[in-house]
Amino acid sequence: NAGVMQNPRHLVRRRGQEARLRCSPMKGHSHVYWYRQLPEEGLKFMVYLQKENIIDESGMPKERFSAEFPKEGPSILRIQQVVRGDSAAYFCASSPRAPGQGAGNEQFFGPGTRLTVL
Amino acid sequence: AQTVTQSQPEMSVQEAETVTLSCTYDTSESNYYLFWYKQPPSRQMILVIRQEAYKQQNATENRFSVNFQKAAKSFSLKISDSQLGDTAMYFCAFSVSGTYKYIFGTGTRLKVLA
Repeated sequence: NAGVMQNPRHLVRRRGQEARLRCSPMKGHSHVYWYRQLPEEGLKFMVYLQKENIIDESGMPKERFSAEFPKEGPSILRIQQVVRGDSAAYFCASSPRAPGQGAGNEQFFGPGTRLTVL
Repeated sequence: AQTVTQSQPEMSVQEAETVTLSCTYDTSESNYYLFWYKQPPSRQMILVIRQEAYKQQNATENRFSVNFQKAAKSFSLKISDSQLGDTAMYFCAFSVSGTYKYIFGTGTRLKVLA
């Protein structure tokens, strides 16, 4: 069973461009979480999605950032008009069930996408 | 609000020795989970060990064990017989039972010396 897959692993964008980060959860997992890791910091929660639904986007900046998890295909984190402060590692995690439905709150993390904004 | 504090930004240990990484947290919840993650230079987040707060027994995974002190809100990680491959950033994380947000500390950079 393949783990959580993220691509690309590294992404370089110039200021003002768009960044699209993809996450394919583990097989059978329908819950996806995005976290951001700024340099020298721990991961911080951004958004929680189930298939076709955003459950909680309280950690995501209100402007320029959006996330989706369509019925078919990977989850996408989209950053429009990137700025230097968006440079970070973006991690996706998945879980097989909703929190509170067993699985001990465990989330399985992908390898992350390192975004560099020039 | 929950917080996780790792007060040791960097540590080093000689190969084959034992090292303990500190983590404290603050919460008013009684049911929660605590985690230690390893992040090697590849940046992959690897789960090292997990502890359920309702379990008094400290979790152990091979050379990795924790000292969970619920009253003191302390959750330290002990690495025995340190190996060069243990060199990495180590993050302590917290999650309230039944919720989905993980709260991470700022990490401890561990270097194992040959």
